[in-house]
Amino acid sequence: QVQLQQWGAGLLKPSETLSLTCAVYGGSFSDYYWSWIRQSPGKGLEWIGEINHSGSTNYNPSLKSRVTISLVTSKNQVSLKLSSVTAADTAVYYCARVSGSSGQPCYMDVWGKGTTVTVSS
Amino acid sequence: QSALTQPPSASGSPGQSVTISCTGTISDIGDYNYVSWYQQHPAKAPKLMIYDVSKRPSGVPDRFSGSKSGNTASLTVSGLQAEDEADYFCTSYAGNNNLKVFGTGTKVTVL
Repeated sequence: QVQLQQWGAGLLKPSETLSLTCAVYGGSFSDYYWSWIRQSPGKGLEWIGEINHSGSTNYNPSLKSRVTISLVTSKNQVSLKLSSVTAADTAVYYCARVSGSSGQPCYMDVWGKGTTVTVSS
Repeated sequence: QSALTQPPSASGSPGQSVTISCTGTISDIGDYNYVSWYQQHPAKAPKLMIYDVSKRPSGVPDRFSGSKSGNTASLTVSGLQAEDEADYFCTSYAGNNNLKVFGTGTKVTVL
């Protein structure tokens, strides 16, 4: 049974860098993409980006200039960094496993519990 | 890439059916058979209910079904039960850089 455990700082000031980590327990790490998704208070979900075991990344164009998703060396972990945060970045951030039946990473079938990040001065 | 459009709310009595639409464009839903649906209860992480338009993951009741026509996908919940009351989000693969686009979300109420 695959489980995703995530952690990181929950309170940031404007202009700081958000940093979260997601650890993958159980199952294969190398067969999937691993994504970050966020949900602003009372709003919908937004795909941030993803990474695979070889470090290949894809990002949402709307956030690409501020986002870095990377692997934690020698561990089944992925990290998210979002620079120059503002109040608009306040959200619950989820990591998720991305699967695809035709070779394209298309749907998120395992989710972490989410980390609440608040940006406030 | 704009969010996919869903109705804000839908409702039905226990045992009835409810259908939620998800409207995109020819660049996402219209171009790929990679629509997925997620159920989210309050303060919980989303749960995958449907993938590849109409496939159900193991453990998801067959009361949940999905379909697609043109640029619009739909999720139908048949035989509504109290535990089906939740928010539902659609997602579509949108090609370029493996972009995934989410829907605006629909709150389903069981009357």
